[in-house]
Amino acid sequence: QVQLVQSGAEVKKPGASVKVSCKASGYTFTNYHMHWVRQAPGQGLEWLGIINRSGGSTSYAQKFQGRVTMTRDTSTSTVFMELSSLKSEDTAVYFCVRDRTDAFDVWGQGTMVTVSS
Amino acid sequence: EIVLTQSPATLSLSPGDRATLSCRASQNVRTYLAWYQQTPGQVPRLLIYDASNRATGIPARFSGSGSGTDFTLTISGLEPEDFAVYYCQQRSNSFTFGQGTRLEIK
Repeated sequence: QVQLVQSGAEVKKPGASVKVSCKASGYTFTNYHMHWVRQAPGQGLEWLGIINRSGGSTSYAQKFQGRVTMTRDTSTSTVFMELSSLKSEDTAVYFCVRDRTDAFDVWGQGTMVTVSS
Repeated sequence: EIVLTQSPATLSLSPGDRATLSCRASQNVRTYLAWYQQTPGQVPRLLIYDASNRATGIPARFSGSGSGTDFTLTISGLEPEDFAVYYCQQRSNSFTFGQGTRLEIK
């Protein structure tokens, strides 16, 4: 079955970086773009950016420009999201999400990132 | 950035009632709008895409309508499992989500 399995929870200090992975299975990895979305505790959904299906192109939400980097490894069907200069406000669950061109149809289980001194 | 404003923030209804949730876009998004449902502790689930198309496996009591800047998600005959948070999302110009509507049991 189609699955996105993310890496485990992270605890980071302010100013550090975090890299979250998302491994896809059950479908042809290179046929779909991938997004990253986050959700702070008790809050709504916030889009971070997209990496295209070949990995050659990315687009990031303006709020995260300069702090976020998305990459993908087609040999392992894995996408990565790295967020740098972490602040307490970055504490959230981070989701990878498959884009089927008309909607986000498959979500990873989420990775909790806690930023605390 | 296109801002999506959902109303009401919270909707209190009883099982069997009809729910009407609104999503208003700050610019024309044509029909590039989707709706998602999120229950506590779960990941969001796609309900509606392209404003009015039900995703696979979504019950017929869920329907979406609208185009341009005004959109509606209607749930006819609420079931206990429908009490959740609902988000709209546009993909006309980049991607943004609304702030969500919490549908709670009255």
